[in-house]
Amino acid sequence: DAKTTQPNSMESNEEEPVHLPCNHSTISGTDYIHWYRQLPSQGPEYVIHGLTSNVNNRMASLAIAEDRKSSTLILHRATLRDAAVYYCIHGVNSGGSNYKLTFGKGTLLTVNP
Amino acid sequence: DAGITQSPRHKVTETGTPVTLRCHQTENHRYMYWYRQDPGHGLRLIHYSYGVKDTDKGEVSDGYSVSRSKTEDFLLTLESATSSQTSVYFCAISGWGGQGAYEQYFGPGTRLTVT
Repeated sequence: DAKTTQPNSMESNEEEPVHLPCNHSTISGTDYIHWYRQLPSQGPEYVIHGLTSNVNNRMASLAIAEDRKSSTLILHRATLRDAAVYYCIHGVNSGGSNYKLTFGKGTLLTVNP
Repeated sequence: DAGITQSPRHKVTETGTPVTLRCHQTENHRYMYWYRQDPGHGLRLIHYSYGVKDTDKGEVSDGYSVSRSKTEDFLLTLESATSSQTSVYFCAISGWGGQGAYEQYFGPGTRLTVT
């Protein structure tokens, strides 16, 4: 199974940066790292994904370790609306159309005003 | 927002009755997924589809069947509902982004209670 390890919970203050860590020691060379988040009472929402290089988009940045066994999701300035469960996932491509994401329990991020 | 809807949004049913949940998309995406979410388990994949009439099992497929007769609709059926199938069900869709990496877009969820 494609397993990732994340802290159960983290806390941050509003307008401060947040670094959410993830370990994915079993990742293979072609597996992408994905991050999703889930706000209360909503479906999961895509945040960012990457393979080897660091990635930036309007929501966050993804820093990937050189050995690809860990990554960090960076929220540059946390807002109250960023309070959510953040899932780190590595997708497994088992050939052809078989690309699946396995969600773990994620990290519950609390943002304090 | 991706055009994805689920129906019904809430349902209460009795043990032993059949239940069908519908996922409808307007994005013409090839891939569709059904997940369930329970406290303490995160999201778990039930079944997925990689094209019309092409489906495969996920990690928790027992007691569920699916059908996809057209691109826009993916149906999840509980042939005989049990209390253990009380859950929130999410549908997701995605395209194909080269080398397999792609974004999944999730629907709003269906809360199913089996009494």
